Amino acid sequence: DTGVSQDPRHKITKRGQNVTFRCDPISEHNRLYWYRQTLGQGPEFLTYFQNEAQLEKSRLLSDRFSAERPKGSFSTLEIQRTEQGDSAMYLCASSIGGGANVLTFGAGSRLTVL
Amino acid sequence: GIQVEQSPPDLILQEGANSTLRCNFSDSVNNLQWFHQNPWGQLINLFYIPSGTKQNGRLSATTVATERYSLLYISSSQTTDSGVYFCAVSTGGFKTIFGAGTRLFVKA
Repeated sequence: DTGVSQDPRHKITKRGQNVTFRCDPISEHNRLYWYRQTLGQGPEFLTYFQNEAQLEKSRLLSDRFSAERPKGSFSTLEIQRTEQGDSAMYLCASSIGGGANVLTFGAGSRLTVL
Repeated sequence: GIQVEQSPPDLILQEGANSTLRCNFSDSVNNLQWFHQNPWGQLINLFYIPSGTKQNGRLSATTVATERYSLLYISSSQTTDSGVYFCAVSTGGFKTIFGAGTRLFVKA
């Protein structure tokens, strides 16, 4: 069990560019979550996968954001045409099936849009 | 949607002191977790506690679900306890909602 891995840890990009983040959950976890955290705030829910199915999306996830989990293992979060307001920490978490749903978080991917 | 309020927003302690952090939530929950976010941003799950009391070393937590609050107790605080403590709840689905956190600084 190597924990939840996120890549890259830091990304600096210019406004208008596309960026993609990857999350590798704990191998036996079938649920995967993306959160966004801005300075001084708690994590905000973006989306959730059960295996490969995306079951819930926040209204925070505009048309410029897309998330996939093609084989029910790793997930990607893509942001198209980045804006300065997209600057944040993007956090991935996973949990095993069952009632408790205890979340294990990765270290996060910090995005800075210039 | 459910509202999660944490208090106090900021807390400064002298090393060795005890403290109580509070989390109030506006609706019934089936899942409540406490997390610690260290200064490097890593979120660590401290407790899964939808009801009752649990203890882990110097930390303990109590959730009174019928009165919609949870408490996190830190005893004999250490500088390594510094960071942000988050309460996070779910109301039946799998979307977990976080409070704004309590920022703790423990002085040596």
